[in-house]
Amino acid sequence: GAGVSQSPSNKVTEKGKDVELRCDPISGHTALYWYRQSLGQGLEFLIYFQGNSAPDKSGLPSDRFSAERTGGSVSTLTIQRTQQEDSAVYLCASSLASGGTNTQYFGPGTRLTVL
Amino acid sequence: AQSVTQLDSQVPVFEEAPVELRCNYSSSVSVYLFWYVQYPNQGLQLLLKYLSGSTLVKGINGFEAEFNKSQTSFHLRKPSVHISDTAEYFCAVLWGAQKLVFGQGTRLTINP
Repeated sequence: GAGVSQSPSNKVTEKGKDVELRCDPISGHTALYWYRQSLGQGLEFLIYFQGNSAPDKSGLPSDRFSAERTGGSVSTLTIQRTQQEDSAVYLCASSLASGGTNTQYFGPGTRLTVL
Repeated sequence: AQSVTQLDSQVPVFEEAPVELRCNYSSSVSVYLFWYVQYPNQGLQLLLKYLSGSTLVKGINGFEAEFNKSQTSFHLRKPSVHISDTAEYFCAVLWGAQKLVFGQGTRLTINP
């Protein structure tokens, strides 16, 4: 079946602009995660959604970052007033449910470049 | 908080040679451990995972890993590598039932 998809695959923006990154999880997966992969910080957890529960936002690096998940499916990660240090690959993952027995399946990522 | 240390940032090996990629984690409680592979310009793909039970875990593409609780290690091994194994490999531990905490990654380069 179809895997996790993300769009756009690449995004170049100017410092100070807002960007939106989209994630379509695997159908039927109730848990959705955002991670960031950057040269300096490696792979870091950003935010997690599970069903209708309040999201775990503990990994968001600043209040310029926000995410929502509409209808328990598609998620959008928004970065306001982008900075050069936001340049990274943003990875989305989904799993059938939360917990270690449920494998997180990753999308191909969105490469964000802030000029 | 959990942390994961991958001891080698780069590992070059010759084709058909064995390889071991090292991973140590910090935790005083039961852990779920994972190895993911990232091929160039692609997302992460699960190689294998340890949840409980047998300490030797077999994964895809001929990889296996051994969970060693006393040494807090989860090293990844393959007896004979192929050019197609060239990729970056990430060890991870599950923290708080949902967050993956990753190591810095090991770039495996296979030379002919």
